[in-house]
Amino acid sequence: GENVEQHPSTLSVQEGDSAVIKCTYSDSASNYFPWYKQELGKRPQLIIDIRSNVGEKKDQRIAVTLNKTAKHFSLHITETQPEDSAVYFCAASINDYKLSFGAGTTVTVRA
Amino acid sequence: DVKVTQSSRYLVKRTGEKVFLECVQDMDHENMFWYRQDPGLGLRLIYFSYDVKMKEKGDIPEGYSVSREKKERFSLILESASTNQTSMYLCATYGTSGYNEQFFGPGTRLTVL
Repeated sequence: GENVEQHPSTLSVQEGDSAVIKCTYSDSASNYFPWYKQELGKRPQLIIDIRSNVGEKKDQRIAVTLNKTAKHFSLHITETQPEDSAVYFCAASINDYKLSFGAGTTVTVRA
Repeated sequence: DVKVTQSSRYLVKRTGEKVFLECVQDMDHENMFWYRQDPGLGLRLIYFSYDVKMKEKGDIPEGYSVSREKKERFSLILESASTNQTSMYLCATYGTSGYNEQFFGPGTRLTVL
């Protein structure tokens, strides 16, 4: 099955700085890569996703890049704010709905 | 607004007990999932269902079973609870029309003593 590795496991950034989270996947047939954000005590929610026919996607302060050849994808958060503090999960899928998640990255934004 | 609810937020059971966790959704979604969430391990898929009475094993089905008798309800069953099943259990739903997001329930924190 698909194996998704995510790094780093924890990330502390100064408010206003950028944060980058990296994931690798093992199944070259994977073609859908979503990112979920889970705030403390809350349920995970989709924040951005990318498909394998696209190299980069942006939505305001967040962007995701995909390198199919290397089988890795990354989440970039610019101008971090306190509300960006959360656990972020990457995932990979070959069919949109059966997701294999990474272990998660706990992001702390320091004021 | 999708609503996914789970029967309990916190549950404490004893080793060997049979445990039922229920998930109900109101969005007429075909697909429903059960995950467990553990620190450092992320979200791991236990079972999923793509239609009533249909189910497929996920990555960690051992020690669990599921039931989907109605489209809106998906139950996770621990036949004989063990301490290593102490975890946060999350239900999720996914519809095949429209947005690709999996909608998660609030979670059930299960402790097996």
